Amino acid sequence: DIQMTQSPSSLSASVGDRVTITCQASQDINNFLNWYQQRPGKAPKLLIYDASNLETGVPSRFSGSGSGTDFSFTISSLQPEDIATYYCQQYDDLPLTFGGGTKVEIK
Amino acid sequence: QLQLQESGPGLVKPSETLSLTCTVSGGSISTTSYYWGWIRQSPGKGLEWIGSIYHTGSTYYNPSLKSRVTISLDTSKNQFSLRLTSVTAADTAIYYCARGIPPAAADRPWGQGTLVTVSS
Repeated sequence: DIQMTQSPSSLSASVGDRVTITCQASQDINNFLNWYQQRPGKAPKLLIYDASNLETGVPSRFSGSGSGTDFSFTISSLQPEDIATYYCQQYDDLPLTFGGGTKVEIK
Repeated sequence: QLQLQESGPGLVKPSETLSLTCTVSGGSISTTSYYWGWIRQSPGKGLEWIGSIYHTGSTYYNPSLKSRVTISLDTSKNQFSLRLTSVTAADTAIYYCARGIPPAAADRPWGQGTLVTVSS
Protein backbone atom coordinates (compact mmCIF):
# COMPACT_ATOMS: atom_id res chain seq x y z
CA ASP A 1 0.00 0.00 0.00
CA ILE A 2 1.11 3.60 -0.60
CA GLN A 3 1.51 5.43 2.70
CA MET A 4 0.46 9.09 2.89
CA THR A 5 2.13 11.15 5.62
CA GLN A 6 0.40 14.44 6.30
CA SER A 7 1.63 17.27 8.50
CA PRO A 8 1.00 19.00 10.74
CA SER A 9 -1.78 17.03 12.45
CA SER A 10 -3.27 20.30 13.67
CA LEU A 11 -2.66 24.02 13.40
CA SER A 12 -4.08 27.25 14.73
CA ALA A 13 -3.97 30.41 12.65
CA SER A 14 -5.59 33.84 12.52
CA VAL A 15 -8.19 34.96 10.00
CA GLY A 16 -6.34 36.22 6.93
CA ASP A 17 -3.26 34.08 7.53
CA ARG A 18 -1.67 31.89 4.87
CA VAL A 19 -1.91 28.23 5.85
CA THR A 20 0.08 25.38 4.31
CA ILE A 21 -0.32 21.63 4.80
CA THR A 22 2.07 19.04 3.40
CA CYS A 23 1.55 15.47 2.28
CA GLN A 24 4.29 12.98 1.44
CA ALA A 25 3.69 9.73 -0.42
CA SER A 26 5.81 6.63 0.16
CA GLN A 27 6.38 6.39 -3.61
CA ASP A 28 5.85 8.45 -6.77
CA ILE A 29 2.10 8.86 -7.28
CA ASN A 30 2.22 10.63 -10.65
CA ASN A 31 0.33 13.66 -9.30
CA PHE A 32 -2.75 11.51 -8.67
CA LEU A 33 -3.54 13.36 -5.46
CA ASN A 34 -6.75 14.81 -4.05
CA TRP A 35 -7.26 17.27 -1.19
CA TYR A 36 -10.50 17.17 0.81
CA GLN A 37 -12.16 19.43 3.36
CA GLN A 38 -14.25 17.83 6.11
CA ARG A 39 -16.28 20.18 8.27
CA PRO A 40 -17.49 18.83 11.63
CA GLY A 41 -20.31 16.34 11.19
CA LYS A 42 -20.10 16.43 7.40
CA ALA A 43 -18.73 14.24 4.66
CA PRO A 44 -15.39 15.06 3.03
CA LYS A 45 -15.66 17.42 0.06
CA LEU A 46 -13.19 17.41 -2.81
CA LEU A 47 -11.31 20.70 -3.19
CA ILE A 48 -8.27 19.86 -5.35
CA TYR A 49 -7.71 17.00 -7.80
CA ASP A 50 -4.66 15.93 -9.82
CA ALA A 51 -2.55 17.70 -7.18
CA SER A 52 -3.24 21.23 -8.39
CA ASN A 53 -6.61 21.48 -10.16
CA LEU A 54 -9.35 23.38 -8.36
CA GLU A 55 -12.69 21.57 -8.29
CA THR A 56 -15.58 23.54 -9.78
CA GLY A 57 -17.14 25.97 -7.33
CA VAL A 58 -14.26 25.90 -4.84
CA PRO A 59 -12.93 29.33 -3.81
CA SER A 60 -9.66 30.37 -5.38
CA ARG A 61 -7.99 30.91 -2.00
CA PHE A 62 -7.46 27.14 -1.98
CA SER A 63 -4.57 25.75 -4.04
CA GLY A 64 -2.42 22.68 -4.37
CA SER A 65 1.06 22.02 -5.70
CA GLY A 66 3.80 19.46 -5.81
CA SER A 67 4.89 16.41 -7.77
CA GLY A 68 6.36 12.96 -7.36
CA THR A 69 6.12 12.23 -3.65
CA ASP A 70 5.86 15.71 -2.08
CA PHE A 71 2.73 17.83 -2.18
CA SER A 72 1.33 20.87 -0.44
CA PHE A 73 -2.06 22.47 0.07
CA THR A 74 -2.45 26.18 0.78
CA ILE A 75 -5.21 28.45 1.99
CA SER A 76 -4.02 31.91 0.94
CA SER A 77 -6.18 33.83 3.38
CA LEU A 78 -7.83 31.78 6.12
CA GLN A 79 -11.56 32.46 6.61
CA PRO A 80 -13.77 31.46 9.55
CA GLU A 81 -15.68 29.00 7.34
CA ASP A 82 -12.43 27.15 6.60
CA ILE A 83 -12.44 25.57 10.05
CA ALA A 84 -12.28 21.89 9.18
CA THR A 85 -10.03 18.88 8.89
CA TYR A 86 -8.17 18.53 5.60
CA TYR A 87 -7.07 15.22 4.07
CA CYS A 88 -4.89 14.20 1.16
CA GLN A 89 -5.66 11.01 -0.81
CA GLN A 90 -3.68 9.21 -3.48
CA TYR A 91 -5.35 7.44 -6.39
CA ASP A 92 -2.30 6.31 -8.32
CA ASP A 93 -2.74 2.76 -7.10
CA LEU A 94 -5.23 0.62 -5.22
CA PRO A 95 -5.97 0.51 -2.39
CA LEU A 96 -6.80 4.21 -2.27
CA THR A 97 -5.10 5.66 0.81
CA PHE A 98 -5.52 8.83 2.82
CA GLY A 99 -3.33 11.02 4.96
CA GLY A 100 -4.06 11.22 8.66
CA GLY A 101 -5.64 14.66 8.40
CA THR A 102 -4.85 18.21 9.51
CA LYS A 103 -7.27 19.96 11.84
CA VAL A 104 -7.35 23.70 11.17
CA GLU A 105 -8.54 26.01 13.91
CA ILE A 106 -8.85 29.76 14.29
CA LYS A 107 -6.50 31.41 16.78
CA GLN B 1 -26.63 17.59 -9.55
CA LEU B 2 -25.52 14.14 -8.52
CA GLN B 3 -26.46 13.13 -4.98
CA LEU B 4 -25.76 9.97 -3.02
CA GLN B 5 -27.57 8.75 0.08
CA GLU B 6 -26.59 5.82 2.30
CA SER B 7 -29.19 3.71 4.09
CA GLY B 8 -29.20 0.64 6.29
CA PRO B 9 -29.22 -0.56 9.90
CA GLY B 10 -27.37 1.58 12.41
CA LEU B 11 -26.72 -1.35 14.74
CA VAL B 12 -25.29 -4.74 13.81
CA LYS B 13 -24.42 -7.60 16.14
CA PRO B 14 -20.90 -9.06 16.24
CA SER B 15 -20.34 -11.92 13.76
CA GLU B 16 -23.32 -10.82 11.66
CA THR B 17 -23.38 -9.13 8.24
CA LEU B 18 -23.43 -5.38 7.69
CA SER B 19 -25.53 -4.38 4.67
CA LEU B 20 -25.78 -0.85 3.32
CA THR B 21 -27.30 0.65 0.19
CA CYS B 22 -26.37 3.83 -1.63
CA THR B 23 -29.12 5.46 -3.67
CA VAL B 24 -27.91 7.69 -6.48
CA SER B 25 -30.02 10.53 -7.84
CA GLY B 26 -29.29 13.04 -10.59
CA GLY B 27 -27.49 10.54 -12.81
CA SER B 28 -27.43 6.91 -13.89
CA ILE B 29 -24.97 4.46 -12.36
CA SER B 30 -24.92 2.30 -15.47
CA THR B 31 -24.56 4.60 -18.44
CA THR B 32 -21.43 6.56 -17.61
CA SER B 33 -17.88 5.36 -17.05
CA TYR B 34 -17.65 5.97 -13.33
CA TYR B 35 -16.73 3.99 -10.25
CA TRP B 36 -19.08 3.68 -7.28
CA GLY B 37 -17.31 3.18 -3.99
CA TRP B 38 -17.50 2.79 -0.24
CA ILE B 39 -15.24 4.47 2.32
CA ARG B 40 -15.44 4.33 6.10
CA GLN B 41 -14.19 6.56 8.86
CA SER B 42 -13.49 5.55 12.42
CA PRO B 43 -11.63 7.40 15.17
CA GLY B 44 -9.01 4.71 15.38
CA LYS B 45 -8.21 4.20 11.69
CA GLY B 46 -9.12 7.46 9.97
CA LEU B 47 -10.43 7.25 6.42
CA GLU B 48 -10.29 3.77 4.90
CA TRP B 49 -11.29 2.86 1.36
CA ILE B 50 -13.37 -0.34 1.41
CA GLY B 51 -13.83 -0.95 -2.29
CA SER B 52 -15.40 0.20 -5.55
CA ILE B 53 -17.39 -1.17 -8.45
CA TYR B 54 -17.05 0.04 -12.03
CA HIS B 55 -20.18 0.69 -14.09
CA THR B 56 -19.47 -2.56 -15.95
CA GLY B 57 -19.69 -4.52 -12.69
CA SER B 58 -15.96 -5.07 -12.15
CA THR B 59 -15.09 -4.88 -8.47
CA TYR B 60 -12.01 -3.69 -6.62
CA TYR B 61 -11.55 -4.29 -2.89
CA ASN B 62 -9.11 -3.23 -0.22
CA PRO B 63 -6.96 -6.32 0.44
CA SER B 64 -7.37 -5.75 4.18
CA LEU B 65 -11.13 -6.40 3.86
CA LYS B 66 -11.36 -8.40 0.65
CA SER B 67 -12.31 -11.72 2.24
CA ARG B 68 -15.37 -10.13 3.90
CA VAL B 69 -16.59 -7.56 1.36
CA THR B 70 -19.02 -7.67 -1.56
CA ILE B 71 -20.08 -4.61 -3.55
CA SER B 72 -22.84 -4.90 -6.14
CA LEU B 73 -24.89 -2.75 -8.50
CA ASP B 74 -28.70 -2.66 -8.87
CA THR B 75 -29.16 -0.67 -12.04
CA SER B 76 -32.96 -1.04 -11.95
CA LYS B 77 -33.04 0.95 -8.72
CA ASN B 78 -29.99 3.13 -9.47
CA GLN B 79 -28.38 1.82 -6.30
CA PHE B 80 -25.23 0.05 -5.25
CA SER B 81 -24.69 -1.96 -2.10
CA LEU B 82 -22.09 -3.04 0.43
CA ARG B 83 -22.02 -6.31 2.36
CA LEU B 84 -19.43 -6.84 5.06
CA THR B 85 -19.53 -10.22 6.78
CA SER B 86 -18.39 -11.39 10.21
CA VAL B 87 -18.29 -7.91 11.70
CA THR B 88 -16.55 -7.01 14.95
CA ALA B 89 -16.38 -3.87 17.05
CA ALA B 90 -13.49 -2.75 14.83
CA ASP B 91 -15.99 -2.31 11.99
CA THR B 92 -17.86 0.40 13.90
CA ALA B 93 -17.55 3.51 11.74
CA ILE B 94 -19.29 6.09 9.62
CA TYR B 95 -19.77 4.54 6.20
CA TYR B 96 -19.79 6.77 3.12
CA CYS B 97 -20.60 6.03 -0.48
CA ALA B 98 -18.98 8.07 -3.24
CA ARG B 99 -18.66 8.27 -6.99
CA GLY B 100 -15.22 7.87 -8.53
CA ILE B 101 -14.18 9.68 -11.69
CA PRO B 102 -11.39 7.63 -13.28
CA PRO B 103 -8.65 7.15 -12.49
CA ALA B 104 -9.91 7.77 -8.94
CA ALA B 105 -12.01 4.86 -7.67
CA ALA B 106 -13.96 7.06 -5.22
CA ASP B 107 -13.70 10.82 -4.86
CA ARG B 108 -16.69 13.03 -5.66
CA PRO B 109 -19.29 13.60 -4.49
CA TRP B 110 -19.73 11.69 -1.22
CA GLY B 111 -22.97 10.80 0.52
CA GLN B 112 -23.65 12.28 3.94
CA GLY B 113 -22.55 9.08 5.65
CA THR B 114 -24.26 6.66 8.01
CA LEU B 115 -23.02 5.52 11.40
CA VAL B 116 -22.92 1.78 11.91
CA THR B 117 -22.24 0.47 15.39
CA VAL B 118 -21.29 -3.16 15.99
CA SER B 119 -22.50 -4.22 19.39
CA SER B 120 -24.52 -6.96 21.02
